[in-house]
Amino acid sequence: SQQGEEDPQALSIQEGENATMNCSYKTSINNLQWYRQNSGRGLVHLILIRSNEREKHSGRLRVTLDTSKKSSSLLITASRAADTASYFCATDPTGGFKTIFGAGTRLFVKA
Amino acid sequence: GAVVSQHPSWVICKSGTSVKIECRSLDFQATTMFWYRQFPKQSLMLMATSNEGSKATYEQGVEKDKFLINHASLTLSTLTVTSAHPEDSSFYICSGDGGRGNEQFFGPGTRLTVL
Repeated sequence: SQQGEEDPQALSIQEGENATMNCSYKTSINNLQWYRQNSGRGLVHLILIRSNEREKHSGRLRVTLDTSKKSSSLLITASRAADTASYFCATDPTGGFKTIFGAGTRLFVKA
Repeated sequence: GAVVSQHPSWVICKSGTSVKIECRSLDFQATTMFWYRQFPKQSLMLMATSNEGSKATYEQGVEKDKFLINHASLTLSTLTVTSAHPEDSSFYICSGDGGRGNEQFFGPGTRLTVL
């Protein structure tokens, strides 16, 4: 079963606003990753945060990780229409090998 | 760097035929490749993990005789959907493990439509 649960399932915002997506998971992890997928395309890796990290930045992206709550958030600041896509979190469980994907959040940024 | 290609990008076939999808790592060697299936507006579901030179490991519920995986080299893995049926219509995505901290590099996907 999918380990990552994301909310919201869908998010619609105006260009320039910030978008926040959350991910929760169930077991201990080595790291958590966020991916982006444009409609009908492959996944693009955005950012990886390790279990001993609490926050990470990459350009307009900010990811937080709270291992005590087993949750992560992805913040996209000053969103653009081109940010319209689906965003997935993926976890690498400790002791396991395979990456497990969440259900994803569909983000729509209106110009 | 770390580019993965898939071929074909889309395919339409008749029910009962077999379809082969290729996944290539173009600028790195992928000891491990993963095959995922994604239905519309859903997440990726891992189908199988393949290691070069050995048999693939299939996830529960995935028929290994229907979805044949071959990982003949460090840069090529193939997925063959045998005797395809309309319910096999989906988006199939492969990824390669570049060996850098569990980061996977994904191919652009192959859309299979079975009539």
